[in-house]
Amino acid sequence: GDSVTQMEGPVTLSEEAFLTINCTYTATGYPSLFWYVQYPGEGLQLLLKATKADDKGSNKGFEATYRKETTSFHLEKGSVQVSDSAVYFCALNTGNQFYFGTGTSLTVIP
Amino acid sequence: DTAVSQTPKYLVTQMGNDKSIKCEQNLGHDTMYWYKQDSKKFLKIMFSYNNKELIINETVPNRFSPKSPDKAHLNLHINSLELGDSAVYFCASSPTPSGGRKTQYFGPGTRLLVL
Repeated sequence: GDSVTQMEGPVTLSEEAFLTINCTYTATGYPSLFWYVQYPGEGLQLLLKATKADDKGSNKGFEATYRKETTSFHLEKGSVQVSDSAVYFCALNTGNQFYFGTGTSLTVIP
Repeated sequence: DTAVSQTPKYLVTQMGNDKSIKCEQNLGHDTMYWYKQDSKKFLKIMFSYNNKELIINETVPNRFSPKSPDKAHLNLHINSLELGDSAVYFCASSPTPSGGRKTQYFGPGTRLLVL
């Protein structure tokens, strides 16, 4: 069945470090791919998305490219800030179903 | 300008009680969802309604019963609460655009603690 696998956390980085959170997927057909972010005590917010192969989603300095050949949608940011500390979820949508990864907790220290 | 709202935000109750959580979206979306997030942040889909019709009903105890009075509302009623029901419950909604590409929008969550 369809599924999403993302990098286990927690991840701890110093401010201004480079961030990569890996996400790979298994899906029949052509899913849409998403990254959601959950700040402490809040709900999930859509961070970025891509709906077809080679699309790049970007927002707030974060980027992810839909790679069909490697079935991946890795999240990257060139220089993280303390305010980026949160849990990040990779997700895919096919039809009526959404599948979420297990979440990766990121802590950025000054 | 709230998009997806849930009430209450916090709910503390005794084992065996019956409680309801309400969800409303003002985005004009056709589909609404309930998720349960456990203490490890794992998200599990529970139910989904499209235009008031149940379309996803995952393996959830039948103590949980969703009700959608109209397409802007999806409420969750829980009977005979158990300790293991303690979690954060998220409501979400999504449109049905052409091509079937959906994006979900989440509410702020309801933190349920069963004592």
